Parts: sequence; C-alpha cells; structure tokens
Amino acid sequence: NAGVTQTPKFRVLKTGQSMTLLCAQDMNHEYMYWYRQDPGMGLRLIHYSVGEGTTAKGEVPDGYNVSRLKKQNFLLGLESAAPSQTSVYFCASSYSVQRASSTDTQYFGPGTRLTVL
Amino acid sequence: AQKVTQAQTEISVVEKEDVTLDCVYETRDTTYYLFWYKQPPSGELVFLIRRNSFDEQNEISGRYSWNFQKSTSSFNFTITASQVVDSAVYFCALNTGNQFYFGTGTSLTVIP
Repeated sequence: NAGVTQTPKFRVLKTGQSMTLLCAQDMNHEYMYWYRQDPGMGLRLIHYSVGEGTTAKGEVPDGYNVSRLKKQNFLLGLESAAPSQTSVYFCASSYSVQRASSTDTQYFGPGTRLTVL
Repeated sequence: AQKVTQAQTEISVVEKEDVTLDCVYETRDTTYYLFWYKQPPSGELVFLIRRNSFDEQNEISGRYSWNFQKSTSSFNFTITASQVVDSAVYFCALNTGNQFYFGTGTSLTVIP
C-alpha cells in the first residue's frame, strides 16, 4: 500500500517548456486534488476531480490542465511553463466527505519541487 | 466565500512551554469540516485532526488539544509541554462541498 505517489520529485524547466506531473493513489479514493505551495501562501487548490473522467477548477487554475482517465491517476499538465509556476506541487486524494469517517482526511503525496527558469 | 485565517505567521517558544495556534474560518455552509496538518522540515503533510461542524466537543490527544468554537468561528490548537520535534509549519484547513481551503500556516520553532 503505497498511498499517494508523485512523479517526478524534482524538475527544472525552461520558460515555455511543457511537462506533466503524475499522481497515483492506491486507496480507491474518489476524490483527487492538485495544490501548489508557495512561501507565505499556504496550499492553494489548482484543480480537483470527484471521479474518473471528471475535473473541476480550483482557486488558481490558470496555466494548468488536468486529466483523470483512470480512477487511480490524476495528471497535472503545464503547456507553457512560466517562472511564476515555480513552486512545490502536492497531490492529494480522499474519500468523498459523505463517505468519510470521522478520522478520514486528504492523504498527500510527498510533493514535486518545480523550478522554471 | 470560504476563508481560513492563521494570523500568527511565526511563533517561537522555549521547550516545555505551552503554545496555542489560532485558526479562524469563514463559511456560510452549515455542514463543514475542519482540519489541522503538520508540515515538518522534511516537507510532507501530516494529518493531525478532523472535526465536523456539528460536533463542538473539544479533543485531547496526548500533548495536543483542540478547541472548536462555532460562536467565534475558531478552531485553535494547543501543544502542551512543547518539544523540539514539534517544530514545524502547522496548517488549518476548511472543507466544504468538494474543496479544501487552507490557511497560510504558522511556523512554530521550539527552542531547546
């Protein structure tokens, strides 16, 4: 049981390059999320998904796209990277709140540190 | 609109002192969930507690305790007899509907 995994752990891009971050979970969670963490800003939600084949925008979706073709995977894409997208990206998954027990929460991956030059 | 405010950006305490981390939330939803997470220097996010909006009972877990007051929209976190291992950034979060909203975090340093 690996929980939530993220690939890659580190990446350096040049402005204008594209890349995809992969998130995988093995807990059969319905919900998956992508966040970015910047100094002094906390975690901000980029996009989320409430089930296979569905995605929705979060607080800061501009410049990112996502896909959830399989229940266990949630991909985050940057089509044309910008220095403002330098950040630490966290993926998370959870049961739906209605299904969750009192001790359930989002389970986070280890994070991906992305630098855009 | 949903919002979580952690007004304390940084706190330093001497080991064995008690410390309280404040969290104030805003939501118009009647059903919501509140969380605290710990992010140690290693960077991972560690779940500490979840509280439902309809359960205002305070909770104690070892040296940790949480005070939930709907009247003041607060969900404060107290560490008793702090230890160096408590040094971390602590995040309060609000879950309503399908989204989570995080505060900006409080960086706690426990000085030996």
